[in-house]
Amino acid sequence: DAKTTQPPSMDCAEGRAANLPCNHSTISGNEYVYWYRQIHSQGPQYIIHGLKNNETNEMASLIITEDRKSSTLILPHATLRDTAVYYCIVVIRGGGSEKLVFGKGTKLTVNP
Amino acid sequence: DAGVIQSPRHEVTEMGQEVTLRCKPISGHDYLFWYRQTMMRGLELLIYFNNNVPIDDSGMPEDRFSAKMPNASFSTLKIQPSEPRDSAVYFCASRGRPEDTGELFFGEGSRLTVL
Repeated sequence: DAKTTQPPSMDCAEGRAANLPCNHSTISGNEYVYWYRQIHSQGPQYIIHGLKNNETNEMASLIITEDRKSSTLILPHATLRDTAVYYCIVVIRGGGSEKLVFGKGTKLTVNP
Repeated sequence: DAGVIQSPRHEVTEMGQEVTLRCKPISGHDYLFWYRQTMMRGLELLIYFNNNVPIDDSGMPEDRFSAKMPNASFSTLKIQPSEPRDSAVYFCASRGRPEDTGELFFGEGSRLTVL
């Protein structure tokens, strides 16, 4: 599975959009981009995933560049409860590579 | 659905003692994963099962660790004998359909402290 690079930490003001970047320059054509977050002391929580099209759900939006070498997770109106570590992971979906490998992620702090 | 249920939530034990962590996956999920999280090493995959069969245990640190899944609704992770370096939060996660490779549902974790 391709490796990802994320900034170790970011800050965001409450109510503003939080844009979390992820580089995955070695991503292959059949690898999906997944995002998880982990609020302190809790288990990781799935947020969203995508292949090449932009995706949106009730939690966030995922923007994937046309060359698929990077992506951005957008929390449109960050709240204090969005303070967490956010993990970007690339993995083959349903292709036999069943392991989800977590990196160090980005610690997002939402400030009042 | 109650989600993935882990027990105990907290365990404090002394070095050399046996520790057993338990997990009940979401009903109908065929995959079960055990992860360990420490400050130094982050989230590490220890082992995962498909239809109760261990598929990949390459992340299990050493022979002191063992995991079983006797049926579709129950799994255990055992450490015997435990050591202080085993102190960590152990997460269990389950997944449904094979094509949902990345969509894991995690439990709240079992925080283990070995003195």
